[in-house]
Parts: sequence; structure tokens; C-alpha cells
Amino acid sequence: DAGVTQSPTHLIKTRGQQVTLRCSPKSGHDTVSWYQQALGQGPQFIFQYYEEEERQRGNFPDRFSGHQFPNYSSELNVNALLLGDSALYLCASSPGAGETGELFFGEGSRLTVL
Amino acid sequence: GQQLNQSPQSMFIQEGEDVSMNCTSSSIFNTWLWYKQDPGEGPVLLIALYKAGELTSNGRLTAQFGITRKDSFLNISASIPSDVGIYFCAGPWAGNMLTFGGGTRLMVKP
Repeated sequence: DAGVTQSPTHLIKTRGQQVTLRCSPKSGHDTVSWYQQALGQGPQFIFQYYEEEERQRGNFPDRFSGHQFPNYSSELNVNALLLGDSALYLCASSPGAGETGELFFGEGSRLTVL
Repeated sequence: GQQLNQSPQSMFIQEGEDVSMNCTSSSIFNTWLWYKQDPGEGPVLLIALYKAGELTSNGRLTAQFGITRKDSFLNISASIPSDVGIYFCAGPWAGNMLTFGGGTRLMVKP
């Protein structure tokens, strides 16, 4: 049973570029959440997708957008990259809305913006 | 988002020692969770607490949900080298948003 898988694992972009990160949830999970983890800090909630719609959003600008597909997989898109967007981007899945907070995380995609 | 404060920020202990760390908030949480993150990995759930005053164990780990609902504690007994990592407290906030503390980095001397 595959857990949460993310791709790519590492990538380097330059300021102003756009990036797309991908996530496949754990089998049986229908909800995907995205988190940004800056170096030395705890993860910060970006948004959550359920039934192909953005269900809840954290304090992130519109440059951050996402999508969920019918097979529950998800993408995170970031436009007009800034140096401060350099971070580990974590995808987490849960069955249902995950109100219990019990999330399964992937290994993350480490984004470096130069 | 809501602020969760963890202490200590880091700990360097001898193998075999017991470890205690805590997490506090200015607001009430109805659920407290403890996650561990190893280098190069995503966080993994260790313990979930759902009731004020609850004490829950998972092997050598014991966590408590503070009676005020504004704090939680995690204890690790007889630490071993694989306990190395960053421990995060977390709680669901404003619906489905999981908010995390800044983490406690644990280092173990063999």
C-alpha cells in the first residue's frame, strides 16, 4: 500500500518563474492538504482540497493555487516565484476532511528559488 | 494562524535518558497531536489526544492533554539514537487547518 507520494523531490527555479508540484494521496484517502515548511520552522497550512474543490485556505497569496483531480491526486502551483518561496512543500492526505488532524505526509518537494 | 510555542527549541541528551518537552498556546485546542520529522522526511503522527486531562502512551512515548486545553506535554523514556529528529506539536484550527509549533530538535549522544 503506497503512502503519500510527491514529485519532484528537489527542484531549482529562478525568481519570476512558475512551478508545479504533484501529490498522490495514500490509497483510500480523498482529501489532500498542502503545507509550506521553511528551514527551521514548523509546517504552515496553504490549502486543502476535497471533492476537487478548495475547501479551506491559509494565509498565502493568490500566487499559490491548486487543483485536485478525480483520482484525488493534487497539484500545487506557484506563480511569479520569490526568493522567500524557497521551502519544503509537504503534501498530506486524510480520509474525509481530516478534522481529527491525523494526517499522512509525503516526503516533500524541496524548492530552491535563486 | 494560531501560535503554538514549543520548548525547549533543542535538546542534546545522553542515550538512555528521559526527555520532556511541552507545547503551549494562548487559545484552547480540542485536539492535540504530536508529530516527529526525521531528516529528509515528512512528519509522522506519534500520538493524538482528544480529551482534556487525557494521558496516552505509544511505546516509550507518553503524551498528556493539559487540563486547561492550552498545553500538552510529550515524554520519551530511555532515549535511543533513533529518537533523533524534530518533534512538533499541532492542533486543528478554524476547521481543517492544522497549525504546528516551531518544533523541538532532539539530539542523542550514544
